[in-house]
Amino acid sequence: NAGVTQTPKFQVLKTGQSMTLQCAQDMNHNSMYWYRQDPGMGLRLIYYSASEGTTDKGEVPNGYNVSRLNKREFSLRLESAAPSQTSVYFCASSLNRGEAFFGQGTRLTVV
Amino acid sequence: AQSVAQPEDQVNVAEGNPLTVKCTYSVSGNPYLFWYVQYPNRGLQFLLKYITGDNLVKGSYGFEAEFNKSQTSFHLKKPSALVSDSALYFCAVRDDSSYKLIFGSGTRLLVRP
Repeated sequence: NAGVTQTPKFQVLKTGQSMTLQCAQDMNHNSMYWYRQDPGMGLRLIYYSASEGTTDKGEVPNGYNVSRLNKREFSLRLESAAPSQTSVYFCASSLNRGEAFFGQGTRLTVV
Repeated sequence: AQSVAQPEDQVNVAEGNPLTVKCTYSVSGNPYLFWYVQYPNRGLQFLLKYITGDNLVKGSYGFEAEFNKSQTSFHLKKPSALVSDSALYFCAVRDDSSYKLIFGSGTRLLVRP
């Protein structure tokens, strides 16, 4: 029972490079989320997807795009990475409006 | 718009003493409220939730939380703190009409022996 799996766990990018963070859940949850965690800022919602085929902006969507590929997978793309996007990224999923289950995070550094 | 505030960056308590970590929220409809804990270099773990029903909610590891609608609060409590409870705690809220889940800034709990 893997839960929520994020790849990669660590990544270093140069400014201007692009990359996609992958997230998959095996709990048959309909809702999925992407957060970033920065010291003193808590978790801030980037994008969320209430169900397959829908995505919505969260609190800090600028500089990011998402794809809800199917019910299991929700990817986060940085088209042109900036140092301000250095953070720890968490993916989560929930069944309807219940509690969210989190992945172990991706530590991203943009130099 | 929904929001959640955790007014204390850090809470210090002695082992064996009761602890309280504060959380206040704002939603337009009825709130769904959650508490999570994060240990160093780990993801977030769910502790407890309030959806409806009794205002006192019991969760994992002996934690409980009290929902107070008039004060729009959902404080986390434990009768007797353990050193192993030292971690980062997050409160989260969702409006009952939305799937958007918003977190507070977190409170670091330090339990000293």
